[in-house]
Amino acid sequence: AQKVTQAQTEISVVEKEDVTLDCVYETRDTTYYLFWYKQPPSGELVFLIRRNSFDEQNEISGRYSWNFQKSTSSFNFTITASQVVDSAVYFCALSLEGYSTLTFGKGTMLLVSP
Amino acid sequence: NAGVTQTPKFQVLKTGQSMTLQCAQDMNHEYMSWYRQDPGMGLRLIHYSVGAGITDQGEVPNGYNVSRSTTEDFPLRLLSAAPSQTSVYFCASRPGRRVYEQYFGPGTRLTVT
Repeated sequence: AQKVTQAQTEISVVEKEDVTLDCVYETRDTTYYLFWYKQPPSGELVFLIRRNSFDEQNEISGRYSWNFQKSTSSFNFTITASQVVDSAVYFCALSLEGYSTLTFGKGTMLLVSP
Repeated sequence: NAGVTQTPKFQVLKTGQSMTLQCAQDMNHEYMSWYRQDPGMGLRLIHYSVGAGITDQGEVPNGYNVSRSTTEDFPLRLLSAAPSQTSVYFCASRPGRRVYEQYFGPGTRLTVT
């Protein structure tokens, strides 16, 4: 069975600080897909990124970057120069090849104060 | 496209009442799923469907029924609501086998008293 662990329950930072959200996953499958979702206070789930298990390149999108390391089964998410609008719950999730659904971590609540 | 729609947005039930949470998508997606979100628990899979007429149980299926008579609709039925079913419910759809992005509805917040 697969599992996603987000050990950080809540993180508080001050605006402009950099922050990294950790995600560790477990699976015996060799083909899988990793995701990050953002859930702002309004409650909807916003897709941020998908990464497949064969692509270990790090990705940067504006202030967001993702570090995928198969050797440590981690898919960490860094926000550079955080802003108040980044305050949200962030979920890491895993989907296996041939499966139609996602396994989610428990989420990390990020609070960015001015 | 409206994407994935869910109704109602909010609902309060008394213990023992029944109700159906509606989910519809207009993207002709093959796969649909229901998740529940509870504080500190993340999202957990209730039921899912890989096509019309095909459904299966997820991690927390007890107390819920589903059916998928059309590609567009995937209703979730609570036959006899219990306080433990107080949660936020999300419906999701996904195009099919080769595309892994899940599209989520806005959620339904259900309170059972």
